[in-house]
Amino acid sequence: GAGVSQSPRYKVTKRGQDVALRCDPISGHVSLYWYRQALGQGPEFLTYFNYEAQQDKSGLPNDRFSAERPEGSISTLTIQRTEQRDSAMYRCASSSYSSYNEQFFGPGTRLTVL
Amino acid sequence: KQEVTQIPAALSVPEGENLVLNCSFTDSAIYNLQWFRQDPGKGLTSLLLIQSSQREQTSGRLNASLDKSSGRSTLYIAASQPGDSATYLCAARLHGSGNTGKLIFGQGTTLQVKP
Repeated sequence: GAGVSQSPRYKVTKRGQDVALRCDPISGHVSLYWYRQALGQGPEFLTYFNYEAQQDKSGLPNDRFSAERPEGSISTLTIQRTEQRDSAMYRCASSSYSSYNEQFFGPGTRLTVL
Repeated sequence: KQEVTQIPAALSVPEGENLVLNCSFTDSAIYNLQWFRQDPGKGLTSLLLIQSSQREQTSGRLNASLDKSSGRSTLYIAASQPGDSATYLCAARLHGSGNTGKLIFGQGTTLQVKP
């Protein structure tokens, strides 16, 4: 079946603009995660949803970052007033019923803030 | 705070060689450990998942082991091929109440297999 999809794959924006990154998880997966990966580093956790409930947002770096999953499927990560330090690969993952299950990752969105 | 370390950061081997990638973690209270492969411009591909109650998992030429007491996991690749060239990441999932299932990643080992 289809894997995790993310859009856009690449996003270039100017400093100060807002951006919205979309994640479409594997059908039926109730858990959804957002990670951010800097060049040469491993991904770092941002936030987690179980169905539509945001269970953990401890990894969001500041209040410019927010995420939602209103219907328990597609999720949107929004970054307001982008800064150059926000430039990174943003990755989404999903897993089935239990949060302890294997996570499957999407291709990522490469964000560049000029 | 859980920290995950991978050594070496980069590795270059001739085709056909057997090799071991290392992953260490500071907190032995993990629920499971997952190994991923990352190719440039692509997502992370899950290779193996080892639950805390398991000692190893095998898939084809790959074998991953887990030793919680020593805080280590290894990924063994047999008879390496040029197509195995990629960055390999390990990630630990913490155990205990309040765990959201988030993964703590190492920085990765970039493997190059030369023909």
